[in-house]
Order: sequence, then structure tokens, then C-alpha cells
Amino acid sequence: AQSVTQLGSHVSVSEGALVLLRCNYSSSVPPYLFWYVQYPNQGLQLLLKYTSAATLVKGINGFEAEFKKSETSFHLTKPSAHMSDAAEYFCAVSDGNKLVFGAGTILRVKS
Amino acid sequence: EAGVAQSPRYKIIEKRQSVAFWCNPISGHATLYWYQQILGQGPKLLIQFQNNGVVDDSQLPKDRFSAERLKGVDSTLKIQPAKLEDSAVYLCASSTGVVRTDTQYFGPGTRLTVL
Repeated sequence: AQSVTQLGSHVSVSEGALVLLRCNYSSSVPPYLFWYVQYPNQGLQLLLKYTSAATLVKGINGFEAEFKKSETSFHLTKPSAHMSDAAEYFCAVSDGNKLVFGAGTILRVKS
Repeated sequence: EAGVAQSPRYKIIEKRQSVAFWCNPISGHATLYWYQQILGQGPKLLIQFQNNGVVDDSQLPKDRFSAERLKGVDSTLKIQPAKLEDSAVYLCASSTGVVRTDTQYFGPGTRLTVL
């Protein structure tokens, strides 16, 4: 079965600083990987997805992620954090017909 | 384009009571999912429909949970009787098909509190 591990349940950065949210996956088949964001009292919104094309994937709101097979990682980055980026972020892997989510990382942005 | 609609947004019930949640997916989306998100955890799939047929219900506690998708559009998820551990956010999502790369679009969720 496929699984993901998100390192760090909470990450705090200053406004304008680099955002790095970590995700490692375990998959017995070539993985399809997703990053979703969840704002308070809202559903999940897709940020970006890796579907075996380019290893560097660009998403919405300035986020991007790089698929590294050798490290089984799919870390999410943003060069400069904004206050509006404060939310919970979930990494997920496609397992057959379903998504398997990590436990999430809450991003706090300090002014 | 309208998103995935869910109701109610919040529900508080006593244990052993029953409760039902409703979901209206994005128009034209053949696949519908129900996820359970317990506080501090990622969403976990409960059941997946393709049109009005069940594709995967392996993680649905069938002794108390049931779901249906009549006419391949709207869906309801029911819990009867509810337990304290059912307190969670129930998320509905939809996608165009069942390809592994399909994007799932999520509704705002229903927050259930069981007292």
C-alpha cells in the first residue's frame, strides 16, 4: 500500500522567508503525488500534482514541488511567504482509485 | 462553475443518535468520494462511487455507516448509531473519472460533534 509521511506537524516562518514543507512517500508503483491546502473551515484545494511528466511542478499561489525518486520525496516550496499562506498543507499519494493523505503540516507566517 | 456543495456545515448530536450528510458534486463529475477527517489527521477515504455504483468501501464501518448515490448525482452518508469516535469533519469530493491522476475537488465539509 502507498503512504506518505509529512515531517513536522507545525512550521513557522517569517513573512518573506522561504517556505519548505517536507513530504516523503512510499509506493510500490510509480507514484502520482499531490499537494493540497486547507484554510480554516474550508475544504481542500489542489495546489499542484506530479503525474510523471516534469519533475519540477509549479502550482498556484507561487508554490512548487520537486519529485526526487532517489530520495522518495516531494517537498513543497515557496520562495517568499505571505501572510495569506497560513493554512494546513497535505501531501497525498494516489493508491489505485483513492488518495492517501499525510497527517498535514500547519504553516504559520509571522509578520 | 459551482463547486461541491455539502450540508449541513455543522451538526451536534448525542451518542447513539443517527445523522445524515448530503453532498452535491460538481456537475458532470462521475466519481464521488466521502472522506473522514479526524482532528490532527489527514482525510481518510470512507467510500467511492463511480456514477451510482460503489468502487471502494473497504474502510467504511458498515455496521453503522451507510451511503448511497441515487441517480449518480447527489449522495448521502448516514451514521446510525453514532459513537463518540465519529466526531470528525466529513468531506465530500468529486472528480471527472477514476484515473489516478484525476484532480479531486473538495466541498467545505460537515463538522460532526458527538457528545
